[in-house]
Amino acid sequence: ETGVTQTPRHLVMGMTNKKSLKCEQHLGHNAMYWYKQSAKKPLELMFVYNFKEQTENNSVPSRFSPECPNSSHLFLHLHTLQPEDSALYLCASSPGRGLGETQYFGPGTRLLVL
Amino acid sequence: AQKITQTQPGMFVQEKEAVTLDCTYDTSDQSYGLFWYKQPSSGEMIFLIYQGSYDEQNATEGRYSLNFQKARKSANLVISASQLGDSAMYFCAMREVGGAQKLVFGQGTRLTINP
Repeated sequence: ETGVTQTPRHLVMGMTNKKSLKCEQHLGHNAMYWYKQSAKKPLELMFVYNFKEQTENNSVPSRFSPECPNSSHLFLHLHTLQPEDSALYLCASSPGRGLGETQYFGPGTRLLVL
Repeated sequence: AQKITQTQPGMFVQEKEAVTLDCTYDTSDQSYGLFWYKQPSSGEMIFLIYQGSYDEQNATEGRYSLNFQKARKSANLVISASQLGDSAMYFCAMREVGGAQKLVFGQGTRLTINP
């Protein structure tokens, strides 16, 4: 596997379910990100991790819980979601914190909350 | 105020023509970076090109070039000799030195290449 992978690619869940999204990067990067892309809204940053430490939480509701066990893996744990949380969730990674460092994205998980 | 503005929700272009996708930005930082990404219907955001605020030359990557006009705060993407596979959403994004690692994205432009 190369680049950034995400599983599952599609997920349907009820509001009382608990599920997790997984992201893995094979690029040797030290920073990982979660973004949310809703219909008709710009891509929004949710969380940033650098060297496994969370360095940014963009006022995300607590029903989203990130976990970064190492620099290659990032999870997003979901519980008691709302229908408005239905969106494409994109994971990205970058070498580090440099201004010009490109963030490389995975294919995303399309989430539908019923 | 929006930091990144893409005023063209959709564009239709004939194959092999050049196309310019507009992007204007708003920042008070002197040091910032501008990025363009392509998002096909599959969902993945594909990095195309980067321009730093201190770069004097316009960035180029193959058929992609960035028309950077700093005084006008614009960073338009130019695709030369468009191909059917260029049909996708295109997003302009900015990262400010004072914005940690946050990439701020515009609303995007849906480009359709007609045969």
